Amino acid sequence: QSVLTQPPSVSAAPGQKVTISCSGTRSNIGVSLVSWYQQVPGTAPKLLIYDNHNRASGIPDRFSASKSGTSAALDITGLQTGDEADYYCGTWDTSLTTIVFGGGTKVTVL
Amino acid sequence: QVRLVESGGGVAQPGNSLSLSCAASGFNFISSGIHWVRQSPGMGLQWVTFISKDGRTKNYSDSVKGRFTISRDQSKNIVYLQMSGLRLEDTALYYCAKTGSTYSTMDVWGKGTTVTVIS
Repeated sequence: QSVLTQPPSVSAAPGQKVTISCSGTRSNIGVSLVSWYQQVPGTAPKLLIYDNHNRASGIPDRFSASKSGTSAALDITGLQTGDEADYYCGTWDTSLTTIVFGGGTKVTVL
Repeated sequence: QVRLVESGGGVAQPGNSLSLSCAASGFNFISSGIHWVRQSPGMGLQWVTFISKDGRTKNYSDSVKGRFTISRDQSKNIVYLQMSGLRLEDTALYYCAKTGSTYSTMDVWGKGTTVTVIS
């Protein structure tokens, strides 16, 4: 059971938009900066978003993220087949004093 | 380019030890903290441990506290993960990652090294 809650999967047709939610608590998302990672099957995770909404170097603006209260969200617009991957949110938990991740969301392009 | 390369993975029996290495290149090593994150087969990411840029601060997840030890050699640009008292549930792909803008951001990851614990 992950500390941060993400939907197991989302899907949409090419060109459409998907939103991945990440739900936490006042001890993690509520007070800490959120990062998002993309993991294409068989490869290492890659940083997409840091500090809640900043895109990492080389990440297209089709990827955007936000945070409100104890929840965060990652939007992917103009969905492409290359976006098929697992996406993870992560942050620092002040109560557990550990980094925590969501369970991951598999994005499927129909 | 910025690069992290893990090594040292292998097969071990429960209770035994393994030592992993994370070799860094392409960036100012002494300015970055390093995390270890693991991923069991078919599962999500699990944070394991962190060492600060100066090596003074070390954090561990409860699942490895007291069994794993993280350290770094500033002269060799290497971070080590000494794993003892291995358990079946330690079986995973172990990644090292460097900190980015903040402690909790991991902006560059290695390709990982596999640890398999079998009886």
